[in-house]
Amino acid sequence: SAVISQKPSRDICQRGTSLTIQCQVDSQVTMMFWYRQQPGQSLTLIATANQGSEATYESGFVIDKFPISRPNLTFSTLTVSNMSPEDSSIYLCSVVLGRETQYFGPGTRLLVL
Amino acid sequence: GDSVTQMEGPVTLSEEACLTINCTYTATGYPSLFWYVQYPGEGLQLLLKATKADDKGSNKGFEATYRKETTSFHLEKGSVQVSDSAVYFCALSDQGTGGFKTIFGAGTRLFVKA
Repeated sequence: SAVISQKPSRDICQRGTSLTIQCQVDSQVTMMFWYRQQPGQSLTLIATANQGSEATYESGFVIDKFPISRPNLTFSTLTVSNMSPEDSSIYLCSVVLGRETQYFGPGTRLLVL
Repeated sequence: GDSVTQMEGPVTLSEEACLTINCTYTATGYPSLFWYVQYPGEGLQLLLKATKADDKGSNKGFEATYRKETTSFHLEKGSVQVSDSAVYFCALSDQGTGGFKTIFGAGTRLFVKA
């Protein structure tokens, strides 16, 4: 398995501001993803974080709103830009090990006022 | 496209009761199947997995068998504890020509009363 840490674990932000979430993995991984989990909902994939190139975004998510960096195989950041209350969610970093087994970080709980 | 359907919650049980959470899937390929658990205030943890038909995944007293003929992966536990109260997600993952993908069910919240 992988040990995944995220910072911050939670934050309360004002609308119009931006927050950058960090994800650190204890081993090198090829596949890394960012998910959003709105209150009481399942997980929605935001994007695949690609090392050395631009992230691949899912329908409904754009780079201007959710810029992602992946400078190496153990680290990634997700920024939530120009936040509104609708961005209040849990943001989860995830990696794949082995053929298809996915592991998740503890999540960042964001509340936008 | 691929999909995962799991029973709606919440499910409320008394301690030591039997648990079954139903999960069915549709898939064009040969996915691996997973159950994840999310305890209050935490991220998702892998509970168990099965990678091919008739495989049984098990962990912490929970079991699920990959049934290709019924396209199901029901989660079972013979005797639940209060500490099992959480949200359970069924999921399938596949590495196809379109790349890696995971499809999650909507989640089933379990409450276990002492």
